[in-house]
Amino acid sequence: AQSVTQPDIHITVSEGASLELRCNYSYGATPYLFWYVQSPGQGLQLLLKYFSGDTLVQGIKGFEAEFKRSQSSFNLRKPSVHWSDAAEYFCAVAPWGNQGGKLIFGQGTELSVKP
Amino acid sequence: DTEVTQTPKHLVMGMTNKKSLKCEQHMGHRAMYWYKQKAKKPPELMFVYSYEKLSINESVPSRFSPECPNSSLLNLHLHALQPEDSALYLCASTHLVKGRDNSPLHFGNGTRLTVT
Repeated sequence: AQSVTQPDIHITVSEGASLELRCNYSYGATPYLFWYVQSPGQGLQLLLKYFSGDTLVQGIKGFEAEFKRSQSSFNLRKPSVHWSDAAEYFCAVAPWGNQGGKLIFGQGTELSVKP
Repeated sequence: DTEVTQTPKHLVMGMTNKKSLKCEQHMGHRAMYWYKQKAKKPPELMFVYSYEKLSINESVPSRFSPECPNSSLLNLHLHALQPEDSALYLCASTHLVKGRDNSPLHFGNGTRLTVT
């Protein structure tokens, strides 16, 4: 069965430090991959997506993610974290031939930022 | 600012009440979705409408009744809810692309529902 794993439930980083959030997926082919961010009381905002092509994708707010087929991973990175990045981050996949937006979400990683 | 608008932002209702959640988008998206999200959990898909027709119902109890009156509007009618139905209800929309469905979802900010 398709699944998405975000191994870290909660991460704390200092402001200005680099960040990497991990995401592994289980799927036979290359799915469509997404990272969403959710601030408290808000909906989900798309940070970036990967469909094909260059395996390093750039997103909004200075985020990037790298697709590694051999590791079935799609880790999210940011070189310098800002206090406003504190939020919940969800990795999601849309399997091939997915009908109707049945995204499979990971459990989420909560990011806290220390001053 | 989100391009998917949900009202109300907050709703408190008793178990015998009838209420409705509303969602609107003007991006020309022809797929609209209802998700339910409990605290500290990922969203769970409830319903999908494609071209204003219900295409997916994820075995949602009948006390939740979706409606898509036109391509811009999506409603979720609530009746006889239980306290465990308290959650954040998110609406989302996307383009429908022929063949592989790969358009990202655009989410609204949700309605925080409390059932007393």
